[in-house]
Amino acid sequence: GEDVEQSLFLSVREGDSSVINCTYTDSSSTYLYWYKQEPGAGLQLLTYIFSNMDMKQDQRLTVLLNKKDKHLSLRIADTQTGDSAIYFCAEVPGYSSASKIIFGSGTRLSIRP
Amino acid sequence: EAGVAQSPRYKIIEKRQSVAFWCNPISGHATLYWYQQILGQGPKLLIQFQNNGVVDDSQLPKDRFSAERLKGVDSTLKIQPAKLEDSAVYLCASSSRGTGGSYEQYFGPGTRLTVT
Repeated sequence: GEDVEQSLFLSVREGDSSVINCTYTDSSSTYLYWYKQEPGAGLQLLTYIFSNMDMKQDQRLTVLLNKKDKHLSLRIADTQTGDSAIYFCAEVPGYSSASKIIFGSGTRLSIRP
Repeated sequence: EAGVAQSPRYKIIEKRQSVAFWCNPISGHATLYWYQQILGQGPKLLIQFQNNGVVDDSQLPKDRFSAERLKGVDSTLKIQPAKLEDSAVYLCASSSRGTGGSYEQYFGPGTRLTVT
């Protein structure tokens, strides 16, 4: 099936690290993405990783890819209140054209003081 | 650079009525997408255009939904007649190929449709 799976909720304390996990479906997926959606807004691309990489770091964001287990994670260091949002994992399956993306259901990240 | 524009932002209609949504993509983006996002779920692709041709409409309920992209720029998505289960946010996105080879999709703010 085409289900990208994520846990629904994550609560972290301000200043701690947040780790959002995702399991995708297609071992031949070429690109894997993380999008952020704030209330009432569209989706914003945060970062992506190509399938031949196992890690990518971009300021406070670290993406880890485990192709064997089809597992993707997003780590946000020093989580701030502005990081409160829903985070979507998405994949480009190998069987599709390079521009078709399949999204997970999203993880709602809440920050407690 | 202007982002993806959508209108209206909100729409409330009764079931069996018709509704249309409009999208203006980022200038120069050849690929345009319409997604349906039901509350608590991720976006689901309804239709994908490359210029003014349809690339993928496999998940578009064609008995009631239609979309067009005349002249390969703006697009409209129509629902006729609407059902209660069509209540959702309708997102438009456009994409270009990034320097790393990925297709980076840029999303509009969406149209929130409520069918009563």
